This record gives sequence, C-alpha cells and structure tokens, in this order.
Amino acid sequence: EVVMTQSPLSLPVTLGQPASISCRSSQSLVHSDGNTYLHWFIQRPGQSPRRLIYKVSHWDSGVPDRFSGSGSGTDFTLKISRVEAEDVGVYYCMQGTHWPYTFGQGTKLEIK
Amino acid sequence: EVQLVQSGAEVKKPGESLKISCKGSGYNFPVYWIGWVRQMPGKGLEWVGIIYPGDSDTRYSPAFQGQVTISVDTSINTAYLQWSSLKASDTAVYYCARGWTTVDLWGQGTLVSVSS
Repeated sequence: EVVMTQSPLSLPVTLGQPASISCRSSQSLVHSDGNTYLHWFIQRPGQSPRRLIYKVSHWDSGVPDRFSGSGSGTDFTLKISRVEAEDVGVYYCMQGTHWPYTFGQGTKLEIK
Repeated sequence: EVQLVQSGAEVKKPGESLKISCKGSGYNFPVYWIGWVRQMPGKGLEWVGIIYPGDSDTRYSPAFQGQVTISVDTSINTAYLQWSSLKASDTAVYYCARGWTTVDLWGQGTLVSVSS
C-alpha cells in the first residue's frame, strides 16, 4: 500500500498570507498510462470532502486561482497564495495510481 | 443535477447486519466507478472499496476484504455497502464517491453508530 505523508499536520495562517502543504508518497505516482493521479481535497467542518486540484495541477471548476498544485514523482505541494476565511478546513492529498488508493493524514488549516 | 444521495444515519448493536445505500442521479450511472470511503470519528479518510456498476467488477482495500460487501443495482442507480456482523470499531461516517483513479463527486455521508 502506498503511504502518503503530509506536512505540516497543523497550519495556522494569518488572513491574506500564503500557505503551503507538502505531500510525499512512498512510491512513484506515475501511472503506466503516463498520468500522475495525485489530487487535493478540502473537507470543511461538517461537510463532505470536495476536490480542489486533480492530476497534480489541474483546477476543478469553481476553484479560485489562489490555489495551485505542483510536483512530480513522489513529491507534491499545494499552495494558497493568499488565505481567506473560507479556506479553513482539513486538506487531504490522495493518490489514485495504485490500488488501494490512499489519502494523506490531513492538514488542518486554521486562521491565526 | 449530478449528485450522490446516501441513506440516513443508522444506530446498531454489535453483531447486527446493515446495508447502506448511495443513489446516483443526473449522469450515466453504469459507466462511472463508485467507491466507499470511511472516516472514523475525528480521523482521516480511508478507501474501503470500489465497484464498476456496468459489470459489478469490485475491488476491496486489503484492510476491508472479507469485512464488508459492496454491490450495485443498476436498475435503480444505487450502490450498497453492507456488513453481516457489525463491530463497535465500524462506527464511522461512510461516504460514497464517484470515480476511478480520482473522485469528482461525493455523497453527503452516512453515519453508522455501533454500540451495545
């Protein structure tokens, strides 16, 4: 099973400041079809998760462009250029390259 | 509207059986994989398993193999997750989720509480 390791696990951020979350996998996430199935989700309190970024760097519909994803192989990053109040929640990376798919432990973003 | 609607919260005793459901609407249900994801109280997300409604091809995460059964009824666009004998450790929110290699749509979650 591929282990996904996120850091930090807790991320206090001042409104308007940038934030960054790291996600590392225990093996390469490059699929035999050439795609890298690494995605980012946010779970706001009391809600279902919602996908923000798919295949490393592609925005889902309606996701603000202050979110960006990058990385390759085993090392990935989600960045928020300027944190807003609505960004509070737990962020998860997920790999969909190797079954069973696996999530990172989650990073809780809160406003300082 | 494209959505997954799950059945309501359940309160059960250890040893009882349970089947929860996830109904898809607004899209071509048979051609999208449907998975189940567990979230234990205060914890993260874990894949349980996934099924392709078109031919019922099913994969289980090793941690859940033999512990649950995933099935589907394409005549009513509904996927199921069932237990034959619940344990207290099955207490969690279970989400259904659409997608293969990713998830682009989530259900609202079903809370399963198991306690004597």
